[in-house]
Amino acid sequence: GEQVEQLPSILRVQEGSSASINCSYEDSASNYFPWYKQEPGENPKLIIDIRSNMERKQIQELIVLLDKKAKRFSLHITDTQPGDSAMYFCAASAGTYQRFGTGTKLQVVP
Amino acid sequence: ETAVFQTPNYHVTQVGNEVSFNCKQTLGHDTMYWYKQDSKKLLKIMFSYNNKQLIVNETVPRRFSPQSSDKAHLNLRIKSVEPEDSAVYLCASSRRSAETLYFGSGTRLTVL
Repeated sequence: GEQVEQLPSILRVQEGSSASINCSYEDSASNYFPWYKQEPGENPKLIIDIRSNMERKQIQELIVLLDKKAKRFSLHITDTQPGDSAMYFCAASAGTYQRFGTGTKLQVVP
Repeated sequence: ETAVFQTPNYHVTQVGNEVSFNCKQTLGHDTMYWYKQDSKKLLKIMFSYNNKQLIVNETVPRRFSPQSSDKAHLNLRIKSVEPEDSAVYLCASSRRSAETLYFGSGTRLTVL
């Protein structure tokens, strides 16, 4: 099936610095790209999303970028805090269901 | 409170047994899903159910079957569990197909 690649699998950053997670997809019909945060023992929750008619979206410290030509999208967390430590998943959808990336474990250290 | 509710939270069973998991959403959404999250945290779609149209991930073994009485309920039955079925099963719903997912708290299955 169509894959969604996500890198890195583990990301360790200093508190206050930026963190970047990159995803790529195969299905050129994909038009919706959400990002989910999953804390230990919890279910995944949407934090930000972007549709194919946009290239950039920002909500507070979260920025998502979409390059449709390259079939890549990315999440950038500026000014990371300890509360940002969690698993992050990208996903891509072509209208039937969302396919998830392999996840990134983000660790924000003091 | 409107949300996605799953029962049970945990289930431990023996190889070959049949299990059923329940999921109900009170969000008024049209589409429901089952995802499997394995020990490496990989999230894989199993089923999508929208307006009585079932979309099956072709990699799902036939011992898995979804059951829906209406658009607010989507249960999952596993006819004869195997050790590799041990995982967290996450139910989710969305307003329309493939829109923002709202997940339940999950059912952790352990097969001995």
